Amino acid sequence: NAGVTQTPKFRVLKTGQSMTLLCAQDMNHEYMYWYRQDPGMGLRLIHYSVGEGTTAKGEVPDGYNVSRLKKQNFLLGLESAAPSQTSVYFCASRQPTPYEQYFGPGTRLTVT
Amino acid sequence: RKEVEQDPGPFNVPEGATVAFNCTYSNSASQSFFWYRQDCRKEPKLLMSVYSSGNEDGRFTAQLNRASQYISLLIRDSKLSDSATYLCVVNGETSYDKVIFGPGTSLSVIP
Repeated sequence: NAGVTQTPKFRVLKTGQSMTLLCAQDMNHEYMYWYRQDPGMGLRLIHYSVGEGTTAKGEVPDGYNVSRLKKQNFLLGLESAAPSQTSVYFCASRQPTPYEQYFGPGTRLTVT
Repeated sequence: RKEVEQDPGPFNVPEGATVAFNCTYSNSASQSFFWYRQDCRKEPKLLMSVYSSGNEDGRFTAQLNRASQYISLLIRDSKLSDSATYLCVVNGETSYDKVIFGPGTSLSVIP
């Protein structure tokens, strides 16, 4: 039981490049989330999903897209990376109840 | 007003000290409350849920005051390993399927 895994762990992009971050969970959780965390700031919700085939915008969705084609996977895409997207990205999942979220180890992204 | 607010600290305390963290939330309809712990450059992990009657887990005690919309975490007999950032978490205001994370309070336990 691996829990929540994220791929890749580290990535450096140049401005304008695109990439996809993969989140996978093996706990059969319904809900999945993508957050970003910047130095000195809390977690900010980018997008989330309450089930396979559904997605919704969070607090800071601009510049990102997501897809949940399979229940266990939640993909976060950056179509045209910008330096402002340099951050640590965390994926999380949970069941509808209880509210406890399980987090992946994070992806450290630098955009130059 | 932010949905969840915490004193950012840092709190620097000696080993063995008792330290308390406070958190306030804006949505009076919130039902679920948690404390998470985040070590440097790691993912957040659930420390404990917060129940209406208050609850204790070893050296950690969590309290909820619904009237004041206030949550607290008390750590007794602090250990060096308690050094981390503590995140207050409340279920979201606009959707039953989101939870809101506070900005976190940093704790350093000093030998």
